Amino acid sequence: SQKIEQNSEALNIQEGKTATLTCNYTNYSPAYLQWYRQDPGRGPVFLLLIRENEKEKRKERLKVTFDTTLKQSLFHITASQPADSATYLCALDDTNAGKSTFGDGTTLTVKP
Amino acid sequence: EAGVAQSPRYKIIEKRQSVAFWCNPISGHATLYWYQQILGQGPKLLIQFQNNGVVDDSQLPKDRFSAERLKGVDSTLKIQPAKLEDSAVYLCASSFSTGRETQYFGPGTRLLVL
Repeated sequence: SQKIEQNSEALNIQEGKTATLTCNYTNYSPAYLQWYRQDPGRGPVFLLLIRENEKEKRKERLKVTFDTTLKQSLFHITASQPADSATYLCALDDTNAGKSTFGDGTTLTVKP
Repeated sequence: EAGVAQSPRYKIIEKRQSVAFWCNPISGHATLYWYQQILGQGPKLLIQFQNNGVVDDSQLPKDRFSAERLKGVDSTLKIQPAKLEDSAVYLCASSFSTGRETQYFGPGTRLLVL
């Protein structure tokens, strides 16, 4: 069966460190993968999209990698700040179904 | 550019009652989605519209949930009758065209069924 797994535990890190979040999937062949941020009481907000032929994508302090062999995406936030505290969701392009499917998210807390 | 609008923001009802949610997508966006998000989980797609036609409603509990998108713009999602397990946040999102692109989400409606 199809499965998307993000870090099972919440992630707590110190300000200034790099946060690394994982998104693993099985039985998908995504053409692309997206990362969203969700704050409490709000809808998800798009951050980055990476395509299957791209190994890495960067945007300011954010970096995403996509390894279709390992079936894994890593999401990095460098020089993390308390304002980066939120839940981060990965969304896979489910090519066969013609839609994107979301993981359950990882809650990141950055402590000052 | 105005974002996706949803109302109401909060709703408390008793089980077996009915409830309706409204969504106004970003102007010009052809694709509209309704998601259900249970606490601690990711958004689960309930129904996807392309203009005013249904593209995917495979996970919509059709015995109690219904949705329509009038004139390819606004949309309403209805639950009748509600069950305790329907307590969740209902998110509306829109995207420019094909439905596999970046989605723009509204703030959601938090439903509590007692």
